[in-house]
Amino acid sequence: EAGVAQSPRYKIIEKRQSVAFWCNPISGHATLYWYQQILGQGPKLLIQFQNNGVVDDSQLPKDRFSAERLKGVDSTLKIQPAKLEDSAVYLCASSLVKRVDEQYFGPGTRLTVT
Amino acid sequence: KQEVTQIPAALSVPEGENLVLNCSFTDSAIYNLQWFRQDPGKGLTSLLLIQSSQREQTSGRLNASLDKSSGRSTLYIAASQPGDSATYLCAVRPHNQGGKLIFGQGTELSVKP
Repeated sequence: EAGVAQSPRYKIIEKRQSVAFWCNPISGHATLYWYQQILGQGPKLLIQFQNNGVVDDSQLPKDRFSAERLKGVDSTLKIQPAKLEDSAVYLCASSLVKRVDEQYFGPGTRLTVT
Repeated sequence: KQEVTQIPAALSVPEGENLVLNCSFTDSAIYNLQWFRQDPGKGLTSLLLIQSSQREQTSGRLNASLDKSSGRSTLYIAASQPGDSATYLCAVRPHNQGGKLIFGQGTELSVKP
């Protein structure tokens, strides 16, 4: 079974630029999560989708972050404009709807904002 | 607001030693608690999940305990090996918040040969 795929793996941008990350979940997993992990901290949930609907985006900084999940499969997370404090690893995870305790994580995208 | 804290932040032990990692949380209204392992450049892998009604779970050399009333969990690793070197994260799943996990900051473990 293929795991959660993310791209790019690394990205370096200057502040005020825009960036987008892509996630392809495990086939059949209707629930998809984006987490932000700042160096030295644990992951923090940014947004949770079920199919293409948003379940929880309470911790998403909506003035600069946006996410979408077209057709209930792949998802993109965008930051516009980026700030220095957005430097982090962005992790995507997926699960079955009734198995939210079994979240499978991708390798993450490491973003550096200079 | 639920907060999860892990102590120590880093730990270095010689191979073969038994060790304990600690996790505490402030709100006992949880469905369950999980311990994850994170290797550099890789995603998280779930090690053990303890439901709120359980006291402990075991998998091989790993044993996790949960004391919900006191807001504490421990991960015991027996006979540590260099391959156990990684960051260990605990996460709680609060009631009524979907699949949201709240993580501690992790303990970075180094097992020296």
